[in-house]
Amino acid sequence: RKEVEQDPGPFNVPEGATVAFNCTYSNSASQSFFWYRQDCRKEPKLLMSVYSSGNEDGRFTAQLNRASQYISLLIRDSKLSDSATYLCVVNTPYGNKLVFGAGTILRVKS
Amino acid sequence: NAGVMQNPRHLVRRRGQEARLRCSPMKGHSHVYWYRQLPEEGLKFMVYLQKENIIDESGMPKERFSAEFPKEGPSILRIQQVVRGDSAAYFCASSPADRGGDTEAFFGQGTRLTVV
Repeated sequence: RKEVEQDPGPFNVPEGATVAFNCTYSNSASQSFFWYRQDCRKEPKLLMSVYSSGNEDGRFTAQLNRASQYISLLIRDSKLSDSATYLCVVNTPYGNKLVFGAGTILRVKS
Repeated sequence: NAGVMQNPRHLVRRRGQEARLRCSPMKGHSHVYWYRQLPEEGLKFMVYLQKENIIDESGMPKERFSAEFPKEGPSILRIQQVVRGDSAAYFCASSPADRGGDTEAFFGQGTRLTVV
């Protein structure tokens, strides 16, 4: 089983749609969780951290379910500029290593 | 405060040559990570270093690849006797000292290695 698994993509959605990505992780002792965004041929950039209580940043909402070892990202009112690959990232409990999921491609179309 | 700096941005090597990729972390960051991304694939962890120490090299190929992060100067990822399969984007990331696990990482723009 992979350490971090994400929904297979690509997700093709119209502008204004709501889209949700899911991610599961295998190590129950993991402590920190993030969503990164990567544009084509660019470096990954932090989108948001994920906290146990859930957190929201504008149109983006991240949720964590420790019991199910599950992380989600919800994007409301999708924009063309949201088109990118979204990476689920988990910090291993020992050694502070960040493990990336393979990523989910989002394509927002007009 | 400059971000993570990687150089060169693009590197072309012939099969059998050596490739040296450099990464200067953000100011004040003492943790460096190297990742490899093959075309159309996700990022794969290679190695995690702190100053003068390799903390986790579980993602490094057993042969030809090495990494260091000296007390002074940038972190270096070294690939000896490159082969075509080494062609990829190599990303470096840095983070500050461990704050109990809640540590994001900042990425450099990557080095795109092409082996011909």
